[in-house]
Amino acid sequence: GENVEQHPSTLSVQEGDSAVIKCTYSDSASNYFPWYKQELGKGPQLIIDIRSNVGEKKDQRIAVTLNKTAKHFSLHITETQPEDSAVYFCAVPTAGSARQLTFGSGTQLTVLP
Amino acid sequence: EAQVTQNPRYLITVTGKKLTVTCSQNMNHEYMSWYRQDPGLGLRQIYYSMNVEVTDKGDVPEGYKVSRKEKRNFPLILESPSPNQTSLYFCASSFESPRVLPIQETQYFGPGTRLLVL
Repeated sequence: GENVEQHPSTLSVQEGDSAVIKCTYSDSASNYFPWYKQELGKGPQLIIDIRSNVGEKKDQRIAVTLNKTAKHFSLHITETQPEDSAVYFCAVPTAGSARQLTFGSGTQLTVLP
Repeated sequence: EAQVTQNPRYLITVTGKKLTVTCSQNMNHEYMSWYRQDPGLGLRQIYYSMNVEVTDKGDVPEGYKVSRKEKRNFPLILESPSPNQTSLYFCASSFESPRVLPIQETQYFGPGTRLLVL
């Protein structure tokens, strides 16, 4: 099956600095790469996704970059704010499935005021 | 308001006592899924359903059952809970893309159910 590795598992940054979280995957046929944000006491919520026909996608302070050759994609958050503190999950389609997602192990991001 | 609801949100039970966690969505989504979240392991899929009366195993189905009699509801059943099923459970739903060119759609998650099995 699909193997997804997410790093780092915890990340602390000063308010205003940038944060980068990286995921690597094993199935070269993967073509969809979402990032979910989970705030304390809530379910994960999609914040950005990218499909394999583009290398980068940006939405205000967040961006995702994709390197299909190296089989990794990254979440970039600029000008971090305290409300960015949460657990972030990457995901890729489960190998052989058009619908299932395999999630990374999560990154606890803490933005220090 | 478009949402996925789960009940109960918190549950403490004892080994062997059957329980059901309900999940309901009001977005007319075909696809529904159950995940469990454990520290350091991320979200692991338990079961999923592509539509009414169509269910399939995910990565960690042992000890769980599901049913999909109606489009909006997807209950998770633990016939004989054990302590290793202590976890945080999430239900999710999404649209089902056309079969000819299936693409991934956004999954909408419920608020979670925290289960403790003693």
